[in-house]
This record gives sequence, C-alpha cells and structure tokens, in this order.
Amino acid sequence: EAGVTQFPSHSVIEKGQTVTLRCDPISGHDNLYWYRRVMGKEIKFLLHFVKESKQDESGMPNNRFLAERTGGTYSTLKVQPAELEDSGVYFCASSQDIALPVEPKNIQYFGAGTRLSVL
Amino acid sequence: AQKITQTQPGMFVQEKEAVTLDCTYDTSDQSYGLFWYKQPSSGEMIFLIYQGSYDEQNATEGRYSLNFQKARKSANLVISASQLGDSAMYFCAMRVRGGGSNYKLTFGKGTLLTVNP
Repeated sequence: EAGVTQFPSHSVIEKGQTVTLRCDPISGHDNLYWYRRVMGKEIKFLLHFVKESKQDESGMPNNRFLAERTGGTYSTLKVQPAELEDSGVYFCASSQDIALPVEPKNIQYFGAGTRLSVL
Repeated sequence: AQKITQTQPGMFVQEKEAVTLDCTYDTSDQSYGLFWYKQPSSGEMIFLIYQGSYDEQNATEGRYSLNFQKARKSANLVISASQLGDSAMYFCAMRVRGGGSNYKLTFGKGTLLTVNP
C-alpha cells in the first residue's frame, strides 16, 4: 500500500513568487493534515481536512496560505506571495479513524515533506 | 494549552545497548494520545508507537516500548538493542480530543539519536 506522497520534495523560489505543494494521502483516509517545521522550531499544525471540508484551520499563518482538497482526495497548499519566513519543511499526514471505546487511535501517517526555500 | 517537552537535543548510544528518550507533556484534558515518530535522514516521519491516556499497560512495538507514567506526565521511549539504523531524529507528540473532531498533534522539538558501532 502506498504511503503519503508529497511533491515536490524540494522547492526554491524567490520572495513574492507563488508555490503550490501537493499531498496525496493514503487511499481511503478521510483525514488529511498539513504541518510545518520552521528551522529550529517545533513541527506546527496548519490545518485539518475531513474529506473535502476544512475541519480546523486554526494554524494557518495568514491569508497568503490557501489549502484545498477538491473531491476529498489529494490536497494542495498554495503560498502566494511567498515571504522569507515561509521557508521550512511542510509535512502532510493522513489518518483513518479507528474507534475505540474511550479514545480513538487515529494514527497520523506522514509523508517525507516538501522543503521550501524562499530567497 | 498543550505542550510537549523533549529535554535531550542529542543522545548517543552504543550499538546493541538500550536507550531511553525523554518526553514530558502538559495538558489539562483527561483524554489524550501520545505518539512517537522517527525521522531518518531521508525525511519521512515514521510512526513508531502509540499510548492512549486510558491505557493501563505500557505500549510495546517490537524493540520499542513506551514508559508511560501518567502521574508524572511522562511518556519516555525505550529502544532496546539499538541498531545503526536507529540513528535518526525522534519526535514525541500528543493529540488531545478537542471539540468536534479536532485531531491535531502537538510536537516536541525532537531528540537526535546517534547509534555508534
């Protein structure tokens, strides 16, 4: 079974340009998440899709970031226009709920990330 | 707010020995999940082990075990019989069940483990 796939693996752009990151989740996973790790900092949550709906976008830094998941399959994260502080590694994860009596296990499986460098 | 603390930026261990990676967490919620992920140099985040807050026994997955001490709010990862391929960054993370279906993870800064031959 294929894991979470992200591309590109690396992207180098100039400040002010637009970049679109893509994530293909594990087939059948309704939940899709975006996270970001800026150098030297913790991995931070950006947003969560359930199928095509945004469940939680509280971590999105500002309105230069736009995430979509049309049809509830793959997702894109667009940064427009990119700024220097947007540099970092962007991770995508997906999960399938496994209901337990008390606590849903909800293992999130991650991709290898996209390393974004804004010059 | 939830917080994960990993106090060891780097750790060294000899091949075939056991190593413990520390993780403490802070949450006021009664229901939560704790996770460990491994990130080798290839970049992919690999899920290792999960512990639910209501689990009475420590989780184990092969050479990985989680030393869960709820009262102390710690969830240390123990790797037995270390192998060279265990050299990687290790992240501790916590998920709290929020309103609706909020499933976001809060991560620590990570511990870089180096296994020496």
